[in-house]
Amino acid sequence: GQQVMQIPQYQHVQEGEDFTTYCNSSTTLSNIQWYKQRPGGHPVFLIQLVKSGEVKKQKRLTFQFGEAKKNSSLHITATQTTDVGTYFCAGYSSASKIIFGSGTRLSIRP
Amino acid sequence: EADIYQTPRYLVIGTGKKITLECSQTMGHDKMYWYQQDPGMELHLIHYSYGVNSTEKGDLSSESTVSRIRTEHFPLTLESARPSHTSQYLCASSEHRGPQHFGDGTRLSIL
Repeated sequence: GQQVMQIPQYQHVQEGEDFTTYCNSSTTLSNIQWYKQRPGGHPVFLIQLVKSGEVKKQKRLTFQFGEAKKNSSLHITATQTTDVGTYFCAGYSSASKIIFGSGTRLSIRP
Repeated sequence: EADIYQTPRYLVIGTGKKITLECSQTMGHDKMYWYQQDPGMELHLIHYSYGVNSTEKGDLSSESTVSRIRTEHFPLTLESARPSHTSQYLCASSEHRGPQHFGDGTRLSIL
């Protein structure tokens, strides 16, 4: 069946360092979404990418959707302690079924 | 703003009890979902619905059942709770291929 792999599983960085998480699908996705879940909270929608090669920015966060619409990345520049949490990607297949990646847990040393 | 509501937030209950977790949304979304998530771990889809009278099982085998009699309501029922059901249960809703809106979750502990 369709799978969405996300790496790394964990990332521990010094505050101010950059962070990147990658998402790879076994099949072409119609769109990809990114969510952030703070410790003890629920996933909160960050952004959706639809077009091949699309790049979107939200302040220090940069999101990319691959040309083949099979992979995506989230890059955070100069991490802050408020960035702590687990980041999930989620992709919709052509069958309109959503599949979440396994998540990347980000922790930060002040 | 909380447009999707889950009750109870916390539940501690004994083995063998029947449990119903409630989920309601006021956004008129056709699609609703139930996920099981252990702390800090991945989301496992256990049930979903594309509209009234439509329910499907997700990727994670579950001993629970769901119903969708009204658009806004998507309850999940465990007929006989077991310690292995201890987890957090998250409900979500969305429009077609749109962002998922999650509730605050129910933290369930089975003794």
